[in-house]
Amino acid sequence: GAGVSQSPSNKVTEKGKDVELRCDPISGHTALYWYRQSLGQGLEFLIYFQGNSAPDKSGLPSDRFSAERTGGSVSTLTIQRTQQEDSAVYLCASKLGRSLYNEQFFGPGTRLTVL
Amino acid sequence: DQQVKQNSPSLSVQEGRISILNCDYTNSMFDYFLWYKKYPAEGPTFLISISSIKDKNEDGRFTVFLNKSAKHLSLHIVPSQPGDSAVYFCAASALTGETSGSRLTFGEGTQLTVNP
Repeated sequence: GAGVSQSPSNKVTEKGKDVELRCDPISGHTALYWYRQSLGQGLEFLIYFQGNSAPDKSGLPSDRFSAERTGGSVSTLTIQRTQQEDSAVYLCASKLGRSLYNEQFFGPGTRLTVL
Repeated sequence: DQQVKQNSPSLSVQEGRISILNCDYTNSMFDYFLWYKKYPAEGPTFLISISSIKDKNEDGRFTVFLNKSAKHLSLHIVPSQPGDSAVYFCAASALTGETSGSRLTFGEGTQLTVNP
């Protein structure tokens, strides 16, 4: 596809369960970001992948959160033992190269609801 | 610690008038600023940006102003159109190191409603 895609679009889970969120970036984009938007908040940076470099995980809120990017393309964000405060829209973005001035293209997001 | 703040959660204007959306930041390391527009059930899309070496950038109906001394930027839309109704996010970035890769720090967003 031409844009960033994310799946699922909606996910409802029970507290304590694990969830996996998927992001397919734009082909050829070497940079990939995960953000989340909680109710009434701005987008919060979670993690950044750039090519084969070590990811910047400094935004992950706890060790229950992890992400990987296989083959420099698809990324999966995993949340273990979900809590109600994890409920948010999780957004993925990709970018060409590492320049500050290159645009980040966002996917439509995954709305996660933890009951 | 909210480094980028949009103090107005909502703004309503009449079609044809000017919309002014404001944004304040606290981190003096920020050197690149962006505005994103978001429709419901879609991801944010880039609208306009400005580098800290400038104080104004214009693109059609959209103009962004930057006041570095006040750590304030604003987005002007003129004339406003009903299709501009969306949530507008202010974002800022700084080169913080080799691997930090220009992460964006976002404000909370302002819901703009342009009434016909």
